[in-house]
Amino acid sequence: QSALTQPASVSGSPGQSITISCTGTTNDIGGYNYVSWYQQHPGKAPKLMIYEVSYRPSGVSTRFSGSKSGNAASLTISGLQAEDEADYYCSSYTSTTTLGGVFGGGTRLTVL
Amino acid sequence: EVQLVESGGGLVQPGGSLRLSCAASGFKVSSNYMSWVRQAPGKGLEWVSVIYSEGSSFYAPSVKGRFTISRHNSKNTLYLEMNSLRPEDTAVYYCVRDLIGGEHDFWGQGTLVTVSA
Repeated sequence: QSALTQPASVSGSPGQSITISCTGTTNDIGGYNYVSWYQQHPGKAPKLMIYEVSYRPSGVSTRFSGSKSGNAASLTISGLQAEDEADYYCSSYTSTTTLGGVFGGGTRLTVL
Repeated sequence: EVQLVESGGGLVQPGGSLRLSCAASGFKVSSNYMSWVRQAPGKGLEWVSVIYSEGSSFYAPSVKGRFTISRHNSKNTLYLEMNSLRPEDTAVYYCVRDLIGGEHDFWGQGTLVTVSA
């Protein structure tokens, strides 16, 4: 069982917006602003999409945005495109023994 | 351009050992936090180990005492020495560069480790 909880799957049609949730505790998401999101296409390495809750690395589309409220974080993808179909993982710094951070179990995004 | 290229994966018997390497280019391994993250087949991501720029290292409870992370500064290469391997260590192992908050901003292509008799 993963330390952070994500829905197993979400779906949306091209052009629509979707939001993926990520729920943790005061020991991770609720206590620190080091929440990140990763996109992984099948057979490929993950790619950092959001860091420090809401910052986008250079080259990441502005259609991707992140936010946090209490012990939960969210990734929103607007203007869905076929290429957005992938697995998405959230991660957070944690005050527990897992110094490298904790991941969510992943969410499969299907673009209908 | 930042690049991370892993090597050293393969098939190993339970109880065996393996050393993974990660050759970096475009930045200095010694000046950054560097981690190994693994992904079992069909499963999610799991952080394995980190080495900080000042040299201290930390491990996930599942590998502590069996795995050792290290780096060779002049070769600009990161390593993961894995001993007493178990079937549950079977995974693709990714070499990653970390930001200060532990976020992983660059990933290698991964190397597959299979532990099986």
